[in-house]
Amino acid sequence: DAGVTQSPTHLIKTRGQQVTLRCSPISGHKSVSWYQQVLGQGPQFIFQYYEKEERGRGNFPDRFSARQFPNYSSELNVNALLLGDSALYLCASSPWANQPQHFGDGTRLSIL
Amino acid sequence: KNEVEQSPQNLTAQEGEFITINCSYSVGISALHWLQQHPGGGIVSLFMLSSGKKKHGRLIATINIQEKHSSLHITASHPRDSAVYICAVAGNTGNQFYFGTGTSLTVIP
Repeated sequence: DAGVTQSPTHLIKTRGQQVTLRCSPISGHKSVSWYQQVLGQGPQFIFQYYEKEERGRGNFPDRFSARQFPNYSSELNVNALLLGDSALYLCASSPWANQPQHFGDGTRLSIL
Repeated sequence: KNEVEQSPQNLTAQEGEFITINCSYSVGISALHWLQQHPGGGIVSLFMLSSGKKKHGRLIATINIQEKHSSLHITASHPRDSAVYICAVAGNTGNQFYFGTGTSLTVIP
C-alpha cells in the first residue's frame, strides 16, 4: 500500500507569492494533519481535518488555509509568503482523529 | 514557555549503551506520541501512549499521567538508531498537537 504522499517535494517561491501544497493520505485514512517544521526546530501543528471538516487549528495566521476533499486528500494554501514561511511542511494521516499518525516525506518550501 | 519540553537536546552514546530520553508536558492530553525523524525529514511514529508502558523491539516508552512525564528508552543502542526523537502530545480534545524540539541522538560504533 502506498504511504502518505506529498507534492511537490521541493518548491521555491518569492515573497508575496502564494503556494499550494498537496497531500494524499493512506487509503482508508480520513484524518489529515498539517505541520510546519522550521530548520532546527520541532514541528508546529497547523491544521487537522477529519471527514472534510476542520477539527483543529494551531497558532498560525489567516494566510494559512487548508481544505480536505471527498477522497480525503488535502491541500494547504499559504498566501502572501514571507521569508519566515521557509520550512518543511509535513502532512500526516490516520484512520480517524487521535490515532497514530503516518507521515509523508514533506514538502520543502524555500522563500527567496 | 513550551507546552512540551524534552531532555537532553543532544545525546551521544556508544553502541550498546542504554539510552533514555525524557519528555515533560504542561497541558492536559489525550495521548502522547514518540516520533523518530531521520536526516532529510522523514518522520516515523514509534509509539502512541495514553497510559502505562509499550515495548517494540529494543524500544520502550512509558508515561506517568499524574507527573505529566514520559520516557523513551532504547536498549542495546545501535548506530542505525541515530536520529532525532520527538515527543508530541495531543490535547484533551484530540485535535491540538504540541511538539517538543526533539532530542538528537548519535550512536557511535
